[in-house]
Amino acid sequence: GNSVTQMEGPVTLSEEAFLTINCTYTATGYPSLFWYVQYPGEGLQLLLKATKADDKGSNKGFEATYRKETTSFHLEKGSVQVSDSAVYFCALSDLSNGGSEKLVFGKGTKLTVNP
Amino acid sequence: NAGVMQNPRHLVRRRGQEARLRCSPMKGHSHVYWYRQLPEEGLKFMVYLQKENIIDESGMPKERFSAEFPKEGPSILRIQQVVRGDSAAYFCASSPRGPSSGNTIYFGEGSWLTVV
Repeated sequence: GNSVTQMEGPVTLSEEAFLTINCTYTATGYPSLFWYVQYPGEGLQLLLKATKADDKGSNKGFEATYRKETTSFHLEKGSVQVSDSAVYFCALSDLSNGGSEKLVFGKGTKLTVNP
Repeated sequence: NAGVMQNPRHLVRRRGQEARLRCSPMKGHSHVYWYRQLPEEGLKFMVYLQKENIIDESGMPKERFSAEFPKEGPSILRIQQVVRGDSAAYFCASSPRGPSSGNTIYFGEGSWLTVV
């Protein structure tokens, strides 16, 4: 079945540090890939997405590239801010072979950025 | 355009009581999804509904849980005879159309259920 594995947290960085959160996936077809962010006490917000191999999703300085050869979708940001402190979830949806649009999530990675 | 609205945001129930969680999708959205987030876990799919139809309930526990999305009004997730293990955050999401590659699903802020 489909699954998402993301690096265990928590991750603690200083402001302006470089961020990488690893995400790999297993899918039977050709999934779309997503990163969602959850700020404390809030719901999930879509951060970025990519729908096919080699696509790069980007938003708010975050980027992730859909790598089919390594089945990965790592999240990166060149210079994090305190306001980026949140939990980040990698997810996929796989519509091929008649699959439904339900999202399969990783367990989340908690990021704390210190001033 | 208001986002996905869920209520209540926080709900406390004693063991054996019923919990009802409501979700109003974004305007113009007729597809609703419910997810559950257990402590320290990612979100797990529960059910996918369109107006008056359950499309996929493969993630719903076999007993005590039910969901509906009537022609008029919000979608309801109902948990009967709650137990402590039902304590979780329940998220509703909506989308404007059926499954399509890269279709964006919008999440509500969640309903936190605590069973005491």
